[in-house]
Amino acid sequence: GQNIDQPTEMTATEGAIVQINCTYQTSGFNGLFWYQQHAGEAPTFLSYNVLDGLEEKGRFSSFLSRSKGYSYLLLKELQMKDSASYLCAPMDSNYQLIWGAGTKLIIKP
Amino acid sequence: IAGITQAPTSQILAAGRRMTLRCTQDMRHNAMYWYRQDLGLGLRLIHYSNTAGTTGKGEVPDGYSVSRANTDDFPLTLASAVPSQTSVYFCASSDGTGSGGEQFFGPGTRLTVL
Repeated sequence: GQNIDQPTEMTATEGAIVQINCTYQTSGFNGLFWYQQHAGEAPTFLSYNVLDGLEEKGRFSSFLSRSKGYSYLLLKELQMKDSASYLCAPMDSNYQLIWGAGTKLIIKP
Repeated sequence: IAGITQAPTSQILAAGRRMTLRCTQDMRHNAMYWYRQDLGLGLRLIHYSNTAGTTGKGEVPDGYSVSRANTDDFPLTLASAVPSQTSVYFCASSDGTGSGGEQFFGPGTRLTVL
């Protein structure tokens, strides 16, 4: 079957760094997306990885290891506005996104 | 450019009533999706359409139907609403595979079935 595993909740301090891990099992693989979702709002795109390695985009970076079925999202210089849920979504062989339940990130001053 | 719009924003509905949630995109994306999101659960795919004129069932299709008469519109119908269909419904669209598989979401419809 298809499965996504992320921590349910994480807490971090403003200005710090946090890493959100995601492990996945899918039928085929065509890349992995990370989305951000603020409470009461729609998900918005953060990153896409299809090859192994690290993709950096400003304060956010995303890493992929296809052989391990593993990805992480790294957030640097945390700001209060980064308080949100972060959704890991690999794309399967049918190009459908398989969604995890998301990790709720709480930022404390 | 509006992107994706959904209507209504929220709705309270009596059980047994019929309801259509509307979704329109102006990005000319081929693929469109309907998801429901319940507290503590991930987005669950209800129905999808890879191109106008075709539809497919997702993970939780029972009690829902869709149509895709043209590229822009993808309405979701609840034929006879039940309380378990209380949820937030998101419509999304994408254009292609790989990085083009990025899905763009509408603002959501919050539906309560009593």
